[in-house]
Amino acid sequence: GAVVSQHPSWVICKSGTSVKIECRSLDFQATTMFWYRQFPKQSLMLMATSNEGSKATYEQGVEKDKFLINHASLTLSTLTVTSAHPEDSSFYICSARGVAEELFFGEGSRLTVL
Amino acid sequence: EDKVVQSPLSLVVHEGDTVTLNCSYEVTNFRSLLWYKQEKKAPTFLFMLTSSGIEKKSGRLSSILDKKELFSILNITATQTGDSAVYLCAVQPNQGGKLIFGQGTELSVKP
Repeated sequence: GAVVSQHPSWVICKSGTSVKIECRSLDFQATTMFWYRQFPKQSLMLMATSNEGSKATYEQGVEKDKFLINHASLTLSTLTVTSAHPEDSSFYICSARGVAEELFFGEGSRLTVL
Repeated sequence: EDKVVQSPLSLVVHEGDTVTLNCSYEVTNFRSLLWYKQEKKAPTFLFMLTSSGIEKKSGRLSSILDKKELFSILNITATQTGDSAVYLCAVQPNQGGKLIFGQGTELSVKP
């Protein structure tokens, strides 16, 4: 079946550095990918919708200059957390929409900012 | 504002018990409601419901949607310790594919 791969699965970085997370659809083309964030003991919150070849659409309250999203190809979207701070520590999950509009989730990336 | 509310937020049962998890929603342009199971990592898909009154079943799990009353339930019969997880309900409001998640119900099944 279709698989969405995220990398890295976990990352630890120092405050002030930038971290890039990749989301790949391995055996299907995904014109749309979604980025979610999940804090401990909380549910998934949509951050942004990533469309191939165009700018991402951000949800209210999400800083687009801080969370840079690039969807340069039909199989890859990246989320870059710029100048990360401890409050950005979270579980970031992407999902991709297949041609039949089914949704597949990546394995998630756990970010810890020291 | 679109929202999804799950209840209870947490639940502790013993193996063999039957549980019912609730999900109510308010959303414009409803398209589908989905149930996911989340253990350590990303959610795994359980069911997608689009029509009222049609039960979806997979082993000991079943789910049904009521579009008039705007809610869904997820039933788990003969629970096992492996059912311990957070169960997430999400609503897809339109063709775009984004999901609005509820807070989740944390289920703990004791041996």
